Amino acid sequence: GDSVTQMEGPVTLSEEAFLTINCTYTATGYPSLFWYVQYPGEGLQLLLKATKADDKGSNKGFEATYRKETTSFHLEKGSVQVSDSAVYFCALSDTGYSTLTFGKGTMLLVSP
Amino acid sequence: DADVTQTPRNRITKTGKRIMLECSQTKGHDRMYWYRQDPGLGLRLIYYSFDVKDINKGEISDGYSVSRQAQAKFSLSLESAIPNQTALYFCATSDPVILNEQFFGPGTRLTVL
Repeated sequence: GDSVTQMEGPVTLSEEAFLTINCTYTATGYPSLFWYVQYPGEGLQLLLKATKADDKGSNKGFEATYRKETTSFHLEKGSVQVSDSAVYFCALSDTGYSTLTFGKGTMLLVSP
Repeated sequence: DADVTQTPRNRITKTGKRIMLECSQTKGHDRMYWYRQDPGLGLRLIYYSFDVKDINKGEISDGYSVSRQAQAKFSLSLESAIPNQTALYFCATSDPVILNEQFFGPGTRLTVL
């Protein structure tokens, strides 16, 4: 079945540091890929998405590129802020768009 | 007002009790989902519904049941709660036209003693 593997956290960074959170997937067909973010005490919200190979999703300074050859969708940000502290989930939706499969989440802690 | 609401937000109950978690949405979406979140395990799908007459089991449906009372309402029940059902529960909705982007409620923190 489909699966998503993301790096374990927590990831601890200083403000303005470069962020990478790795995500790889296993799926049949051509899934769509997503990054969701969960701020403390809240539900998940969509951060960015990509629907086909080589697509780049971007939002709020975050980027991720759909790499079919390496089955990866790594999340990057050039300069993190304290307000980016949250849990980040990588997810995929199968070709039929029926359900989402989530990774286990990666906590990001950014200090001033 | 929030598009996806969950009640209650927090609940403490005892082993063996029946409990219902409720979800309402104003987004007009046909698809609704229930997940549980446990530390280190991410989100796992319990049940999902693509319309009022369609109910499907997810990855971890044992010990749970659901009811889709209307397009806007989707309830999750624990018939006889047990301590390992202590978790954070999320309801979500989606519109398949926009690539299954899911919109989440704020969550219900359930503790079973």
